[in-house]
Amino acid sequence: QSVLTQPPSASGTPGQRVTISCSGSSSNIGSKSVNWYQQLPGTAPKLLIYSNDQRPSGVPDRFSGSKSGTSASLAISGLQSEDEADYYCAAWDDSVNVPVFGGGTKLTVL
Amino acid sequence: EVQLVESGGGLVQPGGSLRLSCSASGFTFSSYFMHWVRQAPGKGLEYVSGISSNGHNTYYGDSVKGRFTISRDNSKNRLYLQVSSLRAEDTAVYYCVKDMRDWGQGTLVTVSS
Repeated sequence: QSVLTQPPSASGTPGQRVTISCSGSSSNIGSKSVNWYQQLPGTAPKLLIYSNDQRPSGVPDRFSGSKSGTSASLAISGLQSEDEADYYCAAWDDSVNVPVFGGGTKLTVL
Repeated sequence: EVQLVESGGGLVQPGGSLRLSCSASGFTFSSYFMHWVRQAPGKGLEYVSGISSNGHNTYYGDSVKGRFTISRDNSKNRLYLQVSSLRAEDTAVYYCVKDMRDWGQGTLVTVSS
């Protein structure tokens, strides 16, 4: 059971906009910034969003992050087939004094 | 360019030990917090351990406390994870991560008799 809660799956058709949610508590998302990671099949995770809504250089602006209260969201607009991957949220948790992850969301592009 | 290369994984019997290493390059290693994150086959990401830039502060996930020890050698740009009292559920790919941003390719640890 992960500390942060994500839907196990999401899907969309090419060109669509999809959103992935990440729910936490006051000890993590409620007081700390959120990172999002993309893991393509057979590869290591890659940082997609940091500090809730910031994109590292090289990440397309189709990817955006937001946070409100104890929840965060990752939005992908103009969905492409290469976006098919697992997506994870993460945040530092003051109650356990380590970062915690969501269980991951498998995105399927139909 | 940041490069993180893990090594030291392999097949080990339950109760055994291994020392994982991560060789870092492309950045000032001594300035960054470093972490180990693992992923069991077909499962999600799990935080294992972290160490401050000067090595004075360490952090561990509950499932590995007392069994794993993180350390670093800033003179060699290397991060280590001593894994002991291994269990089947420790079977995973272990990733070296810089500042929770840049990830290595991982090293596989398999615990089986």
